[in-house]
Amino acid sequence: EAQVTQNPRYLITVTGKKLTVTCSQNMNHEYMSWYRQDPGLGLRQIYYSMNVEVTDKGDVPEGYKVSRKEKRNFPLILESPSPNQTSLYFCASTRTGVTGELFFGEGSRLTVL
Amino acid sequence: GENVEQHPSTLSVQEGDSAVIKCTYSDSASNYFPWYKQELGKGPQLIIDIRSNVGEKKDQRIAVTLNKTAKHFSLHITETQPEDSAVYFCAVFPRNTGNQFYFGTGTSLTVIP
Repeated sequence: EAQVTQNPRYLITVTGKKLTVTCSQNMNHEYMSWYRQDPGLGLRQIYYSMNVEVTDKGDVPEGYKVSRKEKRNFPLILESPSPNQTSLYFCASTRTGVTGELFFGEGSRLTVL
Repeated sequence: GENVEQHPSTLSVQEGDSAVIKCTYSDSASNYFPWYKQELGKGPQLIIDIRSNVGEKKDQRIAVTLNKTAKHFSLHITETQPEDSAVYFCAVFPRNTGNQFYFGTGTSLTVIP
């Protein structure tokens, strides 16, 4: 089954404790991206990757890091989480060319205390 | 970057009635306009999309119309059913400003049985 898998789905952590949200896709997609969803703000892009070893900032990259060492994986790293990073996070992927369907994961709800 | 405005933010309709959600965008070079449906606890899923060389596209009870001159596009759902209740997001892909999707702020649609 074609899917984007995120882990963990739910996480409560404390300010400053490094965490990683993993994302994996099994569709051989070149393009992967991370979004955060906040009430009234819709989906905002954090980082995206056009292919292995190629990453670019989206609209809200501050406080986040990503890496793309393998085609199927695109982890989101919060080196020192802060309460304003409490949000619902989605990973998504699509094929080369981008103007096609974005496949989203089920989401990761992160709470930073 | 692109500025996408989506209205209304909430919409309630009686079962069987029609629902219309409208989005406006700012970048006239944008050429791809998808709509996503997000059910509770899930990631967004593509329901219909339209490209800039087409004015209207239909898929059973849903349709999308695009007015490039006015820079707006709309989602139309006819004969609404309770399972249409969800959050709907429009998105825009601006061809000239990188490989990012810009999403609207979402519309929470409730279909009242």
